[in-house]
Amino acid sequence: QVQLVQSGAEVKKPGASVKVSCKASGYTFSNFGITWVRQAPGQGLEWMGWFSAYNGNTDYAQKIQGRVTMTTDISTSTAYMELTSLRSDDTAVYYCARCRGTRCNNFDYWGQGTLVTVST
Amino acid sequence: DIQMTQSPSSLSASVGDRVTITCRASQSISSYLNWYQQKPGEAPNLLIYAVSTLQSGVPSRFSGSGSGTDFTLTISSLQPEDFATYYCQQSYSSPFSFGQGTKLEI
Repeated sequence: QVQLVQSGAEVKKPGASVKVSCKASGYTFSNFGITWVRQAPGQGLEWMGWFSAYNGNTDYAQKIQGRVTMTTDISTSTAYMELTSLRSDDTAVYYCARCRGTRCNNFDYWGQGTLVTVST
Repeated sequence: DIQMTQSPSSLSASVGDRVTITCRASQSISSYLNWYQQKPGEAPNLLIYAVSTLQSGVPSRFSGSGSGTDFTLTISSLQPEDFATYYCQQSYSSPFSFGQGTKLEI
């Protein structure tokens, strides 16, 4: 069965960086893209971007462009999301999800989420 | 960027009720509209994609309709496990935005 297992919770200071991992199993990793979505406490879902397995391209939300890098390691079926220059409003649960379709048409399997807390 | 607006933001209902949630896009998104369900403390779960196609395993009491800019999610007969927050999401163009969510409460 398809599973996405994310790394554990992180506490970071403002200005630091965080790198969240998302290990996939149960499917051919290189055939699907991975998207990242975050959710601030008590708030809705915010799409961050996605990594295309088809051409290796990335597409990031303008709001975090320049601070985010999404990568994958096909040898370990693991996706990574690194966010730099952290601010307090980056405190959120970060989810990875599998993209279905060449355009990431929908997100059919999700990781369990990783809480990132940015605090002094 | 495409803005997605859901209504209502919250909704009180009872088991057995028929419920409809509306999602409006700020421009036409063709049929690139998905619905997700999220329960407290859990990751979202894909319910419906491409406006009206039920994801595998999703009960048939869920249905979706619409086109262009106006879309609806309908639950024909609410079950206790359906009380959750529902989000629409467009995948027509980047950024793939979500609606603000509709919290369905007893």
